[in-house]
Amino acid sequence: GQQVMQIPQYQHVQEGEDFTTYCNSSTTLSNIQWYKQRPGGHPVFLIQLVKSGEVKKQKRLTFQFGEAKKNSSLHITATQTTDVGTYFCAGNNNDMRFGAGTRLTVKP
Amino acid sequence: DAGVIQSPRHEVTEMGQEVTLRCKPISGHDYLFWYRQTMMRGLELLIYFNNNVPIDDSGMPEDRFSAKMPNASFSTLKIQPSEPRDSAVYFCASRGGNTEAFFGQGTRLTVV
Repeated sequence: GQQVMQIPQYQHVQEGEDFTTYCNSSTTLSNIQWYKQRPGGHPVFLIQLVKSGEVKKQKRLTFQFGEAKKNSSLHITATQTTDVGTYFCAGNNNDMRFGAGTRLTVKP
Repeated sequence: DAGVIQSPRHEVTEMGQEVTLRCKPISGHDYLFWYRQTMMRGLELLIYFNNNVPIDDSGMPEDRFSAKMPNASFSTLKIQPSEPRDSAVYFCASRGGNTEAFFGQGTRLTVV
């Protein structure tokens, strides 16, 4: 199956700062999904991107899918303490393999 | 629907014992995934099924691990014999077609 690489592994920000995590695949993806896992919890679906160059927004979260459908990003504007958790991308070519995740901590 | 149900939530066992993890997917979902999560290795895909048929088990660590899906509403992941390095959180997830996946609460396995 395809491998997705995710960076950074960790990100610590001050509340109110922005945050971005990046996901890269060695192969073209049919689509990409993003999930959030709160500490002690399970991954929860955030969004799916399908089209080349697609951009979707959910309040302070902006998701992008690259033109070549090999990379994606998640950007959070003005982080809040409720944004704490690990954000995963998953390439979705039938199998669903996750990147290593980016663990976000937010200092109040 | 109650979502994906995993049991047990916690399991502590001695090295060498057989461990069986259980999963009930969401009704109507045709994909089922088993993952293992550790700090070192992240969220690893172990195996996935489509319509109860195992499609890719390349993530299963070794022959000690086996998974079955006898019907659309039940799957098991078995480790025999268990070893301390198998300690992890094991997640089951199900999905209908090419849509979002729903995860169970996970089973935290500790092998001593």
